[in-house]
Amino acid sequence: DVKVTQSSRYLVKRTGEKVFLECVQDMDHENMFWYRQDPGLGLRLIYFSYDVKMKEKGDIPEGYSVSREKKERFSLILESASTNQTSMYLCASSPVRDSTTYEQYFGPGTRLTVT
Amino acid sequence: RKEVEQDPGPFNVPEGATVAFNCTYSNSASQSFFWYRQDCRKEPKLLMSVYSSGNEDGRFTAQLNRASQYISLLIRDSKLSDSATYLCATLRGGYQKVTFGTGTKLQVIP
Repeated sequence: DVKVTQSSRYLVKRTGEKVFLECVQDMDHENMFWYRQDPGLGLRLIYFSYDVKMKEKGDIPEGYSVSREKKERFSLILESASTNQTSMYLCASSPVRDSTTYEQYFGPGTRLTVT
Repeated sequence: RKEVEQDPGPFNVPEGATVAFNCTYSNSASQSFFWYRQDCRKEPKLLMSVYSSGNEDGRFTAQLNRASQYISLLIRDSKLSDSATYLCATLRGGYQKVTFGTGTKLQVIP
């Protein structure tokens, strides 16, 4: 079974703090993704990585950075947390496959509250 | 216009009913299409891929209409356990980025 784990289920941080969200997958997947999910806005892609040390901006990268030093680990960094970054953060991974069998596997999510 | 649009619902249907959701997409270059299921306070999980010819998995049928740029999900004989939010998704080219709709909430009532 593919397993994607995230470091925290719930996190409360203060405005201006630097926040690290960690994600680990155990299936040797090449691709890893960070999304945030908000009511009415759905899942929005923040960043993704298709290889170690490689990263690409998603649709809403502002205020975030990422790090992928090892294949199994993908970190999301909020340089200076703000209240509008309060959200559910979901990490996902996927193997590189032909598009018809493509599947993303999600972690359980981290609910981040910035006060 | 959003790249992928869904009716948020909720769709409240009685057990045993048939229910259908549509999802429209704006990018004609979208390559592949999927339905994910997300239970309350859980992560999304792939329900089924959508193939050009349409495909069926038990009580679930997915269809693709490229001319009108929509995909559909039909659920027959609804069960209480089908209650969830259903997300449609399209795969863009290049680095295999997926765009998700906002989801359609289904509530199956006894």
